Amino acid sequence: DAGVIQSPRHEVTEMGQEVTLRCKPISGHNSLFWYRQTMMRGLELLIYFNNNVPIDDSGMPEDRFSAKMPNASFSTLKIQPSEPRDSAVYFCASSLMTQSYNEQFFGPGTRLTVL
Amino acid sequence: GDSVTQMEGPVTLSEEAFLTINCTYTATGYPSLFWYVQYPGEGLQLLLKATKADDKGSNKGFEATYRKETTSFHLEKGSVQVSDSAVYFCALSDHRTGGFKTIFGAGTRLFVKA
Repeated sequence: DAGVIQSPRHEVTEMGQEVTLRCKPISGHNSLFWYRQTMMRGLELLIYFNNNVPIDDSGMPEDRFSAKMPNASFSTLKIQPSEPRDSAVYFCASSLMTQSYNEQFFGPGTRLTVL
Repeated sequence: GDSVTQMEGPVTLSEEAFLTINCTYTATGYPSLFWYVQYPGEGLQLLLKATKADDKGSNKGFEATYRKETTSFHLEKGSVQVSDSAVYFCALSDHRTGGFKTIFGAGTRLFVKA
């Protein structure tokens, strides 16, 4: 298996521009998570889906952030408009929920720089 | 709500030294406990896990024992290598009370000197 795939790996954009981050989870996994990691705030859960349905988006910073999961093999995280404080590494992770525990598999991340 | 507290870093050790990274948790139910590791420029990956009290998780020379009486899950390794330099995250999940989320600690950065 190729693991969780994220694109792009690096994104540099200017303040005010729209940014779309993409994620392909591991085939067969039924849960998908978006995280943001910065030096100041550490690892933050933004939103997660189960069976393509958003379960908890309480971590989404504000209305500029939105996430979709149109099918089991694809998800997007969109920032519109972007701001310099959105600069961070964004991780997507997927897992197969079981009754005993769940292991999350992380993608390599997208490093976003907003100038 | 559920939470994880781990020792602040960075931790700096010489090669072959003994490693302990402390982790304690607060949970209303009976969570599963994990240690994840993040190497530079990569995403987190599972290092080891324990799903019930007194279980010992182990992998790559690392060990951690699920201690319900002290609500702890300390990570240990007898002899660290330069290649162990990374950030280590303690985490818990309990699908019965916490839904599908995993709660991560703040991470502890480890530097190992040759």
